[in-house]
Amino acid sequence: EPEVTQTPSHQVTQMGQEVILRCVPISNHLYFYWYRQILGQKVEFLVSFYNNEISEKSEIFDDQFSVERPDGSNFTLKIRSTKLEDSAMYFCASTRQTNTGELFFGEGSRLTVL
Amino acid sequence: AQSVTQLDSQVPVFEEAPVELRCNYSSSVSVYLFWYVQYPNQGLQLLLKYLSGSTLVKGINGFEAEFNKSQTSFHLRKPSVHISDTAEYFCAVSALDTGRRALTFGSGTRLQVQP
Repeated sequence: EPEVTQTPSHQVTQMGQEVILRCVPISNHLYFYWYRQILGQKVEFLVSFYNNEISEKSEIFDDQFSVERPDGSNFTLKIRSTKLEDSAMYFCASTRQTNTGELFFGEGSRLTVL
Repeated sequence: AQSVTQLDSQVPVFEEAPVELRCNYSSSVSVYLFWYVQYPNQGLQLLLKYLSGSTLVKGINGFEAEFNKSQTSFHLRKPSVHISDTAEYFCAVSALDTGRRALTFGSGTRLQVQP
C-alpha cells in the first residue's frame, strides 16, 4: 500500500541552524501539506502546496519557513534559523483531491532544537 | 474560521467496555468532519469521515461517529474496546466551499484501555 515517507525520523540541531525535513508523498497525489505537533499540544496546520506553489499557509508559517518540491517527488520543509520553540513533530501529508478532505500522513520527523 | 474542541484529554476505560470520545466544533460555514487515530510513534491515520448523507458513519476497527448539526458535535463511539485501541484520537474539520481546505484539529483525546 502506498504511503507517505518522511526523513529524518529524528533530528537534533543547535538553535540558529538551518534544517530541511524531507517528505515523499504518495505518487499520484497532487496536494501536499506540512503540519506540526508540539509535544502535548494539538496538531497545527503550517502550509499547503499545489501546482508548485503555496496555496495556503497559517500564521505559524513565517519567513523562517519555506517549502519546495525540487524534483517532482520530494516535498521539503526548510526552517532557515531554528528557534527553541520550533522543537516539535513535523508531519507531511498528501492527498489526491481536496473535496473529501482525507489526508494521508507520514510518520513524522521529530525536530529537537537545543 | 473553524475550531474543534475535544472535551476530554484522557479517557481510561476497561477492555470490552464501551467508549465515547466527544468532539464539538465551531464554524461559520459547512464542514466535513473527521476522526484520526495516532498510535504510539506513528503518524495519523484516518478512522472515519462525514462528508454528507447519513449522519451515522462507520469507520475502521469497529468505530462509528454521529454527526449532530444542531449540537455541532461529532462524537466517536465503540461498543467494546480492545487493548489495541489505546492511542491518541483527533477530531478534525475541513471547511466546505471556501479556499481553505486544510484540516483544523482538536487537541486530542488519549484513550487508555486497561485489562
